[in-house]
Amino acid sequence: DAKTTQPPSMDCAEGRAANLPCNHSTISGNEYVYWYRQIHSQGPQYIIHGLKNNETNEMASLIITEDRKSSTLILPHATLRDTAVYYCIVRVAGSGGNKLVFGAGTILRVKS
Amino acid sequence: GAVVSQHPSWVICKSGTSVKIECRSLDFQATTMFWYRQFPKQSLMLMATSNEGSKATYEQGVEKDKFLINHASLTLSTLTVTSAHPEDSSFYICSATSLSGPGDIQYFGAGTRLSVL
Repeated sequence: DAKTTQPPSMDCAEGRAANLPCNHSTISGNEYVYWYRQIHSQGPQYIIHGLKNNETNEMASLIITEDRKSSTLILPHATLRDTAVYYCIVRVAGSGGNKLVFGAGTILRVKS
Repeated sequence: GAVVSQHPSWVICKSGTSVKIECRSLDFQATTMFWYRQFPKQSLMLMATSNEGSKATYEQGVEKDKFLINHASLTLSTLTVTSAHPEDSSFYICSATSLSGPGDIQYFGAGTRLSVL
């Protein structure tokens, strides 16, 4: 699976959009971009994933560049409860048995 | 959304005893479950991949005789830490895969915090 690079930490004001970047310059054509987050002392929570088109769900939006070498997770109106470690992971999908390899992630601190 | 239940959430045991952790997919069938371990201020590390009805596949460096994994049904996998020692104290997290659409998503349990005295 391709390696990802994320900033170690970011701050965001409550109510503002949080934009979390991720670089994955070695991503291959059949690899998806997945985002998970982990709130302190809890299991990770799935947020969103995509292949090449931008995706949006009730939690967030995922913007993938045309060359697929980077992506941005957008939390449109961050709240204090969004404070967590956010993980960007790329992997082949479809079989159900492909493992997730977690990096260090980005610590997002939402401040009032 | 898919729910994965993990039990217990917290356990304290004496050194040398064994501890069993259960992972259940509550509203879906999971052919594959994963077990992770997380030490303080570190990221999750995959320990093993478990497929229903077959032996688990362990990651390099994980002792299969110490961390026994059983995946007897499509909704239940168990991790038994045998002869636990203080260095096994960690946060253990399971996940299960639900095939959905063109990709697949892992849903995680809330984790089990193990403290070995």
